[in-house]
Amino acid sequence: GESVGLHLPTLSVQEGDNSIINCAYSNSASDYFIWYKQESGKGPQFIIDIRSNMDKRQGQRVTVLLNKTVKHLSLQIAATQPGDSAVYFCAENMGSGNTPLVFGKGTRLSVIA
Amino acid sequence: DGGITQSPKYLFRKEGQNVTLSCEQNLNHDAMYWYRQDPGQGLRLIYYSQIVNDFQKGDIAEGYSVSREKKESFPLTVTSAQKNPTAFYLCASKIGGTAETQYFGPGTRLLVL
Repeated sequence: GESVGLHLPTLSVQEGDNSIINCAYSNSASDYFIWYKQESGKGPQFIIDIRSNMDKRQGQRVTVLLNKTVKHLSLQIAATQPGDSAVYFCAENMGSGNTPLVFGKGTRLSVIA
Repeated sequence: DGGITQSPKYLFRKEGQNVTLSCEQNLNHDAMYWYRQDPGQGLRLIYYSQIVNDFQKGDIAEGYSVSREKKESFPLTVTSAQKNPTAFYLCASKIGGTAETQYFGPGTRLLVL
């Protein structure tokens, strides 16, 4: 079964505010994590990734935090814009690089203008 | 342009009919994947292939078949044995043997007539 889950299925934020999307994982052997953004009717797009030897990684307006102690992953989006409205998935790679990623169910982010 | 292409964008299936979804990539990736996504749901793994002429079942392989005769191509056949085929089908690929990002195609929506 799935080992990756999300705390919140939907999230509504005001335009310009920061968004935080959370993800819990259960496999302590997972060594690589990815966040994807999926707009309606499209394939998931890579946003940012992080390896297990890091606890924070920043991209353009996005930051991923990894807390291995509690097996928690979060995606922070700064100054959320209407174009950020989408479903966000976390995914984990459990050990071997040949193992398929395991995906969480997703969080829908709605940005209120 | 480099990337993953899926065709057709929409596909209609009649009762008892087999249909084949195309997935092509020119990224020189070794590993390719097929996922099924139902409305409001996450991604479920159907089949994956790590190298040419080899593939493994995912979590929901029943009613589906694949082939991997060429590195760049990984077609998925939805057989008549799949009783509930209506879904959004996503193909992905990545460099094999390492924990790296999977990149997704734009998807094919399959509908039953």
